[in-house]
Amino acid sequence: SAVISQKPSRDICQRGTSLTIQCQVDSQVTMMFWYRQQPGQSLTLIATANQGSEATYESGFVIDKFPISRPNLTFSTLTVSNMSPEDSSIYLCSVEAPGGYEQYFGPGTRLTVT
Amino acid sequence: QKEVEQNSGPLSVPEGAIASLNCTYSDRVSQSFFWYRQYSGKSPELIMSIYSNGDKEDGRFTAQLNKASQYVSLLIRDSQPSDSATYLCAVTNDYKLSFGAGTTVTVRA
Repeated sequence: SAVISQKPSRDICQRGTSLTIQCQVDSQVTMMFWYRQQPGQSLTLIATANQGSEATYESGFVIDKFPISRPNLTFSTLTVSNMSPEDSSIYLCSVEAPGGYEQYFGPGTRLTVT
Repeated sequence: QKEVEQNSGPLSVPEGAIASLNCTYSDRVSQSFFWYRQYSGKSPELIMSIYSNGDKEDGRFTAQLNKASQYVSLLIRDSQPSDSATYLCAVTNDYKLSFGAGTTVTVRA
């Protein structure tokens, strides 16, 4: 499976500010995904990021709040904008395995908004 | 109705016993089914994938799929304390993963 890294691993931010999370993969992948895991909850898909096209957002998530970039086949960023305490979550990126449907997750970014 | 439902936990089993985890899904066109293990404070780790009806075994883990009943399960044989974690059932429709709420398993030494 691919090796996935995320930066930062954790951060504490003030409300009203923005944070950009980076996701780096050690091989080229077509599809990258961003998930949110709120405290004590399961994972919810935020958006799918394909290189060379706009990200596709799931219901309840909008580009103004969670802009995503996908400049190449090994890298993506997710920005959490104008943060509020409700955005305190773990944010995870994942990639789809080549030729299959399996997804592998990065280590996550634990975000706390005060 | 939730897309993916898992049996409520937590599930406590003695060391060496079998842990049985269940999952049902609502979308009949779902094609791929996965079990992830998530240790506290860590990200989900893929432990099993299953695509066709029947059983699939990998070491101490066995996944079972019944598409007619829209049911997928995971058996953990000879449970070890290191198996204590939350197990997430995930289902794909096209490429999107939908997760269940998870079942927390505790293996008692």
